[in-house]
Amino acid sequence: SAVISQKPSRDICQRGTSLTIQCQVDSQVTMMFWYRQQPGQSLTLIATANQGSEATYESGFVIDKFPISRPNLTFSTLTVSNMSPEDSSIYLCSVESFISSGGNEQFFGPGTRLTVL
Amino acid sequence: TQLLEQSPQFLSIQEGENLTVYCNSSSVFSSLQWYRQEPGEGPVLLVTVVTGGEVKKLKRLTFQFGDARKDSSLHITAAQPGDTGLYLCAGEAGGTSYGKLTFGQGTILTVHP
Repeated sequence: SAVISQKPSRDICQRGTSLTIQCQVDSQVTMMFWYRQQPGQSLTLIATANQGSEATYESGFVIDKFPISRPNLTFSTLTVSNMSPEDSSIYLCSVESFISSGGNEQFFGPGTRLTVL
Repeated sequence: TQLLEQSPQFLSIQEGENLTVYCNSSSVFSSLQWYRQEPGEGPVLLVTVVTGGEVKKLKRLTFQFGDARKDSSLHITAAQPGDTGLYLCAGEAGGTSYGKLTFGQGTILTVHP
């Protein structure tokens, strides 16, 4: 398993500003993922962050709005840019590890609860 | 785009009752995972199933992966208040989508003492 921490755990921001969320893992991992969980809803994948390459974004998410950095194998950041109240969500990072019988397991950080006023 | 339909969305039961949560899709998944999430925390992995027809048990929880790997169920026997939480299924398509999870809508379970 992997231990994942996120900073900040929560924040209240004004519209039009930007917030950078940090994700730290206690081991080296190839792939890190960023998810959004809107109030009362399930998780939606924003992007996949691989070290040494550009992040890959899912449909509906763009780099200008959610720039991602992945400077090494244990760390990643997600920035929520030019925020609006619709960006109020929980943002979670996750990492994967292989299991011998096939497939993979993903471990999630505790999330960053963002409220945009 | 792969979709996972999870039902029911809400479940409120008394302690000691049994329950089943379902996840269904028209797409095949290489693996399917079940998570439990409590308020203010990230999802915690309960189990991963990878083989069609596979059944895994975790104490009072029984997980089944459909033969065609398109559906899964979570059955809880003799539910306890400590089982209260949000249960999520998530499927991985594999191939070029390796590592990317598609989540169901979630089931909010409340077990009353």
